[in-house]
Order: sequence, then structure tokens, then C-alpha cells
Amino acid sequence: NAGVTQTPKFRVLKTGQSMTLLCAQDMNHEYMYWYRQDPGMGLRLIHYSVGEGTTAKGEVPDGYNVSRLKKQNFLLGLESAAPSQTSVYFCASSYFDQGDGEQFFGPGTRLTVL
Amino acid sequence: DQQVKQNSPSLSVQEGRISILNCDYTNSMFDYFLWYKKYPAEGPTFLISISSIKDKNEDGRFTVFLNKSAKHLSLHIVPSQPGDSAVYFCAAVPGPSGYSTLTFGKGTMLLVSP
Repeated sequence: NAGVTQTPKFRVLKTGQSMTLLCAQDMNHEYMYWYRQDPGMGLRLIHYSVGEGTTAKGEVPDGYNVSRLKKQNFLLGLESAAPSQTSVYFCASSYFDQGDGEQFFGPGTRLTVL
Repeated sequence: DQQVKQNSPSLSVQEGRISILNCDYTNSMFDYFLWYKKYPAEGPTFLISISSIKDKNEDGRFTVFLNKSAKHLSLHIVPSQPGDSAVYFCAAVPGPSGYSTLTFGKGTMLLVSP
């Protein structure tokens, strides 16, 4: 049982390049989330999904797109990376509505945009 | 507008003493509160939670207190251990009215010295 895994762990991009971050969970969770963590800013929700085939915007969605084609995977895309997207990205998943349970986080992806 | 506030960026405590981490919130609709712990280069992990119908929840060395009238909660760690050194995030979620997302504070870095 690997829990929540993220690929890649580190990435350096040049401004304007695109990339996709992959999140996978093996806990059969319905809900999945993408956060970014910046120094002094805590965790901010980018996008989330309440089930396969669904996505919704979080607090800071601009510049990102997501897809949830399979229940176990949640992809975060950057179409044209900007230095402001330099951050640590965390994926999380949960089974219940958050009022009932906890979110399980992946180890993070450290992204640098030059 | 920051709805969950952790006003102390850092806290230093000696091993064996009590650590008290504070969190304030402004949204009166918040109904459920969680604390997450994060070590460097790892994802956050769930620590303890409390529902608004309670004023205290205890789990081993960790106790969370909730003062709804003051919109304040605190995490007490007794006794503190060096392994507790980490960043602690307070998070909150509104009551059950459809799906709700977590709102995180900016975190407090706890350093427990031997």
C-alpha cells in the first residue's frame, strides 16, 4: 500500500515550458486535491476533484489545469510555466467529505521555473 | 482575507516541557478543525481533529482545545520531544452543506531542543 505518490519529485522548467505532475493513490479515495506551498503562505488549494471525471477550482487555479480520467490518478498541468509557479506542489486524497475524515498527502514535487 | 490565522511563525521549547500552538479563525461557519504536522521534504500528515460540538479532544501527548466564542483553538503537546520538531498547520472546514474544502493556516514551526 503506497498511499499517495507523486511524480516527479523535482523539476526545473524554463519560462513558457509546459509539464504535467502526476498524482496516484491506491486507497480507493473519491476525493483528490492539488495544493501549492510557498514560504510563509501555508497550503493553498489549486484544484480538486470529488470523483472520477470531475474537477473544480480551488483558491488559486489560474495557470493550472487538471484532469481526473481515472479514479486513482489526478494530473496537474502547467501549460506555460511562469516564475510565480515556482513552489512545492502537494497532492492529497480523502475518502469522505473533509468534515468526516483526514486528507492523505503525497511527498510533494519541488518545481522551479527559471 | 485570511480566515485561519497562525500568528506565531515559530516556537522554541525545551524537551519535556509543554508546547502550545495557537490558531484563530474568522469564519463562524467553520465546523470542524484539524491539525497537520509536516517534516521537511515530506507531505503533511494528519495529527488530531476536533468537531465544534466539543471543546477538547485528546490523543496521547496531543490535546486540542476549541473556544468557539473566541474563535480560537490550540494544540498542546505534553511532554514535548525532539521528534515533534516540525511545522504544524491548523485547518478548518465549514459544516456539512455539500462538499467543503479545507482552509489552512500558514503554519507554525516548532523546535524542541534536547
